[in-house]
Amino acid sequence: GAGVSQSPSNKVTEKGKDVELRCDPISGHTALYWYRQRLGQGLEFLIYFQGNSAPDKSGLPSDRFSAERTGESVSTLTIQRTQQEDSAVYLCASSLGRWGAGGYTFGSGTRLTVV
Amino acid sequence: QQPVQSPQAVILREGEDAVINCSSSKALYSVHWYRQKHGEAPVFLMILLKGGEQKGHDKISASFNEKKQQSSLYLTASQLSYSGTYFCGTEPFDSGDTPLVFGKGTRLSVIA
Repeated sequence: GAGVSQSPSNKVTEKGKDVELRCDPISGHTALYWYRQRLGQGLEFLIYFQGNSAPDKSGLPSDRFSAERTGESVSTLTIQRTQQEDSAVYLCASSLGRWGAGGYTFGSGTRLTVV
Repeated sequence: QQPVQSPQAVILREGEDAVINCSSSKALYSVHWYRQKHGEAPVFLMILLKGGEQKGHDKISASFNEKKQQSSLYLTASQLSYSGTYFCGTEPFDSGDTPLVFGKGTRLSVIA
């Protein structure tokens, strides 16, 4: 696609429920990244994929968070048993390669609100 | 390790200049700069890959001092459209597989 697409754009869920966030990167971009941004804060790294492999999962906050990528394309970030502190905007980005000189292209994000 | 950005916030009148700094405690392979407008996704501005490299994007330019492990973003003759939060993202040489680590951002407000 022309840009990075994320869905849903907004999600309100009850505490304790599971949620799944989706990211469609730019076609041909082998590297895909998930970041979290709390209100008024910076970008917190969650996980990175090179192809379908995740060399770095160090940013995942807890074992309630997991992510996968298939077909070197779509990625899903799953949060189980959501907590109020999970409320944030979840941003996905992609780039041509791990050391891509073209920078990261971000999607518009999924705003998650846990009530 | 998270880079440190300064200042945290700055207010400018149209036409004024500003400098935003980004410092790391580690030797850097690259520095990226992004701008995020309120409620929108961060947008890539430029990447600096070599020590001492400078780049420009319209009236926005940046430098990368490899020895000092820091980068500076220069905004010249600021326009209202420059308002937003500017983030630097750094890739240390020893980052392994960890991608960009972003600073906390510098909020820039340009007023008429």
